[in-house]
Amino acid sequence: SQTIHQWPATLVQPVGSPLSLECTVEGTSNPNLYWYRQAAGRGLQLLFYSIGIGQISSEVPQNLSASRPQDRQFILSSKKLLLSDSGFYLCAWGQGGRGSPLHFGNGTRLTVT
Amino acid sequence: KQEVTQIPAALSVPEGENLVLNCSFTDSAIYNLQWFRQDPGKGLTSLLLIQSSQREQTSGRLNASLDKSSGRSTLYIAASQPGDSATYLCAVRRPGTASKLTFGTGTRLQVTL
Repeated sequence: SQTIHQWPATLVQPVGSPLSLECTVEGTSNPNLYWYRQAAGRGLQLLFYSIGIGQISSEVPQNLSASRPQDRQFILSSKKLLLSDSGFYLCAWGQGGRGSPLHFGNGTRLTVT
Repeated sequence: KQEVTQIPAALSVPEGENLVLNCSFTDSAIYNLQWFRQDPGKGLTSLLLIQSSQREQTSGRLNASLDKSSGRSTLYIAASQPGDSATYLCAVRRPGTASKLTFGTGTRLQVTL
């Protein structure tokens, strides 16, 4: 069966520090991968998605970047965090095809102080 | 631009009641609609996926319906239990690449003893 791992679960970082969140998927190959952010009192916002190694699409301009160095690994990064980067970050995967569901990890709670 | 709305934003019911959560979307050109459950501080758990060609899906005490032409979906929970307390999110999959989802802001459900 397929599983998705996301870490760390919580993170407190000062403004201006770098960020690296990692997500890996097991039990499938060539998944589509996604980073979503859920800010307090707001819905989920798609940040990045990837349909293959090295292929990253950004949905909104921001202080963050994403990379996919391996087929089942997706990394969210920032060189210098802003207060507004605080939120709950969720990684998800899905197979291609119109009927496929998305499956989410347990999320990372990021607090920028 | 697709917009997804969930009503009510919050709901409190006594244990044992049947209840309906509503989801509406503005663009009927969707591939599918997915209902998720989110417990506080946790990731999203997929509950049901309805393809655009389907009218409903059932899983245990949950039944989801889809009326694509009117842009509406409902999630029916039978015989509610305190363990059903969570936030319920609906999301529609947009046509195009990469299975991108547009989420509603959720309904926070509390089932009381």
